[in-house]
Amino acid sequence: SQTIHQWPATLVQPVGSPLSLECTVEGTSNPNLYWYRQAAGRGLQLLFYSVGIGQISSEVPQNLSASRPQDRQFILSSKKLLLSDSGFYLCASTWGPPPPTFGAGSRLTVL
Amino acid sequence: KNQVEQSPQSLIILEGKNCTLQCNYTVSPFSNLRWYKQDTGRGPVSLTIMTFSENTKSNGRYTATLDADTKQSSLHITASQLSDSASYICVVSAKASGGSYIPTFGRGTSLIVHP
Repeated sequence: SQTIHQWPATLVQPVGSPLSLECTVEGTSNPNLYWYRQAAGRGLQLLFYSVGIGQISSEVPQNLSASRPQDRQFILSSKKLLLSDSGFYLCASTWGPPPPTFGAGSRLTVL
Repeated sequence: KNQVEQSPQSLIILEGKNCTLQCNYTVSPFSNLRWYKQDTGRGPVSLTIMTFSENTKSNGRYTATLDADTKQSSLHITASQLSDSASYICVVSAKASGGSYIPTFGRGTSLIVHP
């Protein structure tokens, strides 16, 4: 079974600062990887997904970016954070049809 | 457009009572449906997963049903406990172009169990 490691768990950053959230996957190879954001009281919003190394698809235009430097590593970044970037970020993985296995999440607060 | 609608948005019940959460979807082509439980500040944890041919799937006090004809699913919680207080999310996966599978999420039902 897949295990998702996500860090940091909690992050407080000032507006305009950079961001890097990292996600690694164990227990599978060549997974599809996803970054979701969950704002308070809202559903999960798909931000990026990747079907392979270096292959990134963006679902929502914004100041965030994603990269997949290795098969089981997925990174969410920003050069300059906005207040609206605050939220709960979830990394997820699938291998084949089943819906995702999720990481524990990263709580980002932008002040 | 693929959509997943969940109802009710929120629900408050007394400990020991049963409850049923609903999920309607318009995802095509349907691959599978999964119910997740998400505790506050944590990642979602899978409760059940069902494919097209499955009508019912149980996991302890949780029972999920699927009607592929009407595109509806329900999650029934029996003899609720305080620890059942959480958000319950319905996720339906479809096979996208290129062979990948993109899940569509419902907004979730927030369940609060009171003693």
